[in-house]
Amino acid sequence: AQSVTQLGSHVSVSEGALVLLRCNYSSSVPPYLFWYVQYPNQGLQLLLKYTTGATLVKGINGFEAEFKKSETSFHLTKPSAHMSDAAEYFCAVSGGGNNDMRFGAGTRLTVKP
Amino acid sequence: GAGVSQSPRYKVAKRGQDVALRCDPISGHVSLFWYQQALGQGPEFLTYFQNEAQLDKSGLPSDRFFAERPEGSVSTLKIQRTQQEDSAVYLCASSPYGRGARYEQYFGPGTRLTVT
Repeated sequence: AQSVTQLGSHVSVSEGALVLLRCNYSSSVPPYLFWYVQYPNQGLQLLLKYTTGATLVKGINGFEAEFKKSETSFHLTKPSAHMSDAAEYFCAVSGGGNNDMRFGAGTRLTVKP
Repeated sequence: GAGVSQSPRYKVAKRGQDVALRCDPISGHVSLFWYQQALGQGPEFLTYFQNEAQLDKSGLPSDRFFAERPEGSVSTLKIQRTQQEDSAVYLCASSPYGRGARYEQYFGPGTRLTVT
């Protein structure tokens, strides 16, 4: 069975500040890890994914995440927040022969001017 | 340019009514997923199709929920005798590959169902 825990349902940063959104996962098989972003009244859009290989993954809009097996973490970061980054962010895990992707409860990011 | 589309975008149903939610995946995509997203929560898996075959329906919450994809493209999620706890956003996603949820999924905008 797989699961995801996102620490912090709300994160607020100032424009230009570092963004750090935390995700820890649980998986009995090598995980496939994803970060999705959801803007109001829109579907989820993939930011980045980890499957195998390099543990530091770069995605769209300047976001990146690092897979740390020893810590079972896949935290999302961006060096400098922009107002347009304000949205809901979801971490997700799948793996093995599973057909389902398990999502965390989400973190709402607010960016203050 | 077609992404995943869903209709209707909003649906209000009286308790006990049947509803049908439609998903048009990206053309040629093999995999299709349905999710239920309650307010303030992440999406929860409902069911998975590979082409026309429903390979996994383990997430369907009750036998009132039924999904089909008869020709391997458009899919319909049907909810019979709706209850208030069915109120949620129903998301559809597709992927060009088979093999379940290993790969990126492309999501539609969702259908917001409100049961009164």
